[in-house]
Parts: sequence; structure tokens; C-alpha cells
Amino acid sequence: TQLLEQSPQFLSIQEGENLTVYCNSSSVFSSLQWYRQEPGEGPVLLVTVVTGGEVKKLKRLTFQFGDARKDSSLHITAAQPGDTGLYLCAGGAGANSKLTFGKGITLSVRP
Amino acid sequence: GAVVSQHPSWVICKSGTSVKIECRSLDFQATTMFWYRQFPKQSLMLMATSNEGSKATYEQGVEKDKFLINHASLTLSTLTVTSAHPEDSSFYICSARDDLWGKTGELFFGEGSRLTVL
Repeated sequence: TQLLEQSPQFLSIQEGENLTVYCNSSSVFSSLQWYRQEPGEGPVLLVTVVTGGEVKKLKRLTFQFGDARKDSSLHITAAQPGDTGLYLCAGGAGANSKLTFGKGITLSVRP
Repeated sequence: GAVVSQHPSWVICKSGTSVKIECRSLDFQATTMFWYRQFPKQSLMLMATSNEGSKATYEQGVEKDKFLINHASLTLSTLTVTSAHPEDSSFYICSARDDLWGKTGELFFGEGSRLTVL
């Protein structure tokens, strides 16, 4: 069974701070996605990474896929209250496979 | 990005009744859709994989007679919670994979449906 461990589980920071959160596994994934979910809504896809060592940027968010394609990190620069939410990482073993989800990271950014 | 729509957004029903939730891919075709259940402040729990034109594949511990799934077209899957009880109250979310562009496995999620069983 493929497992994804996300850390830290909870994070509360002040607006303007930087942060890095992690998604780790002992399994290799062909692709990995990051989603953000706000209360009462469905998850929204932020990024997909597929190549080992790949780095993608989405405004203030920087995503990195590990060289071995077993882990990923998300770095947020100058966090804003609008970044508050549940961040989920999900790994796929192939194009038609079901995704394995981590337990998520609850981020709270205080004004 | 692709759009997935769920309906209803929330529903309140009496114990013993059945509730149907629809999941539609609005601008793409989806042979495969997924249904999840989510408890407060927790991650998504996959319930079943919905396959167009064939039977759904249920995860271990999910009662297929309790949670009926029908995927009759390439843009619509439905989840029916039969004889609902208070313990079925939860947030149900569907997701779909674009048949043409989903080669990297990414999913697009509906807005979720909040079910409350009295």
C-alpha cells in the first residue's frame, strides 16, 4: 500500500512569513499533485509534477518533486490570509490509477 | 482548468430516506470518476471508482448496496445513499479525470455535497 505522509499536520503563522511543508513516501510515484481545499468546498488543483527534481512556481508558491519521485515540498513566500486552507498532496502510479492522498496540512495565516 | 459540478451542495433528509448526488463534468469527458467521503478536518477517503458503462469498484469496507453508483454517460455519475442514517452524515466529494488530458493522473473535484441525516 502506498502511503503519503504530510508534515506538519497543522501550521499557524503570521502574514508575511515564509513556510515550507512536506509530502513524503517510501514509494515512487509517476506524478504528484498538490491541492488546496477551503472549508465546505472541494479541493482545487494547484500543480502537477511528473519529473524527478522538477520545480514549478505558481506566484508565491514553489513546488518541488524529489529526485527519486518519492517526495515533494511546497514553499510559500510571504504568506497571506488567503493562503489559509487544507493542503493535500496526492500521488499517482499511472495515468489511469486512483490517487493516494496524504492526510493534509491545515495552514492558518493570521492577518 | 476543467470544471466538475456537484448537485446538490447540501441536503437534509430524514432517517430511512434515500438521497441522490450528481457529479457532472461540464467541459470534458470522464470515463472515470471517483467518490470520496470527508469528515471534518480530515483528508479525503476514497469510497469507490465509478466507471462509465460498467460497475463501480468499491474500496474495502464500503457497502455497495448502501452507496449505489451509476455512471451512465461520459459526463455524469450519481451516488445514491440508500436508507440513510445519521452516521451517513458527511461531506461527499466527487472527482473526475479528463479522458484527453488526464495523462498525468490529475483530478478535478466537484464542490462537494453536505449530507445531514436527521
